[in-house]
Amino acid sequence: EAQVTQNPRYLITVTGKKLTVTCSQNMNHEYMSWYRQDPGLGLRQIYYSMNVEVTDKGDVPEGYKVSRKEKRNFPLILESPSPNQTSLYFCASRLQGAGNYGYTFGSGTRLTVV
Amino acid sequence: TQLLEQSPQFLSIQEGENLTVYCNSSSVFSSLQWYRQEPGEGPVLLVTVVTGGEVKKLKRLTFQFGDARKDSSLHITAAQPGDTGLYLCAGSLSNYQLIWGAGTKLIIKP
Repeated sequence: EAQVTQNPRYLITVTGKKLTVTCSQNMNHEYMSWYRQDPGLGLRQIYYSMNVEVTDKGDVPEGYKVSRKEKRNFPLILESPSPNQTSLYFCASRLQGAGNYGYTFGSGTRLTVV
Repeated sequence: TQLLEQSPQFLSIQEGENLTVYCNSSSVFSSLQWYRQEPGEGPVLLVTVVTGGEVKKLKRLTFQFGDARKDSSLHITAAQPGDTGLYLCAGSLSNYQLIWGAGTKLIIKP
């Protein structure tokens, strides 16, 4: 089954404790992206990657890191999480190209930083 | 700043009624996508419209892209409780930049 897999689904952590949210896709998509979703603010892009070893900042990159060492994986790293990073996070992937390809989203990671 | 305004933000109607959700912008999009998101899950792509004036149908859902490719609408005929969810539109400005609407939360009461 074609899918984007995120782990974990739920995470409660303390301020300052480094964490990684994993994302893997099995569709051979070139383009991958991380979003956060907050009430009233909609989906905001954190980072995106157009291919292996090519990453770039989205609209809200502060406090986050990403890497793209393999085509299928795109982990999101929070080096020193803070309470304002409490949010619902989505990884998504799509084919590269004219921008007309729709995203396949993961099921989300609900992160709480206390 | 490019914006994509969605309206209404919230809609609660009875089963069997019709409804329309709108996405409007001052920007011209190369394409526009509609997604539905259910609680606790990621958004799922419903349709992509590409050509100005294009109309696509998905069962009881009708999607239209404005002639100038700045706006789009989603019309649901005879809404069912299974249509309940958050509807999101997203406009593509380039190969990589996608502008998202804030969403329309739709509740269909039995």
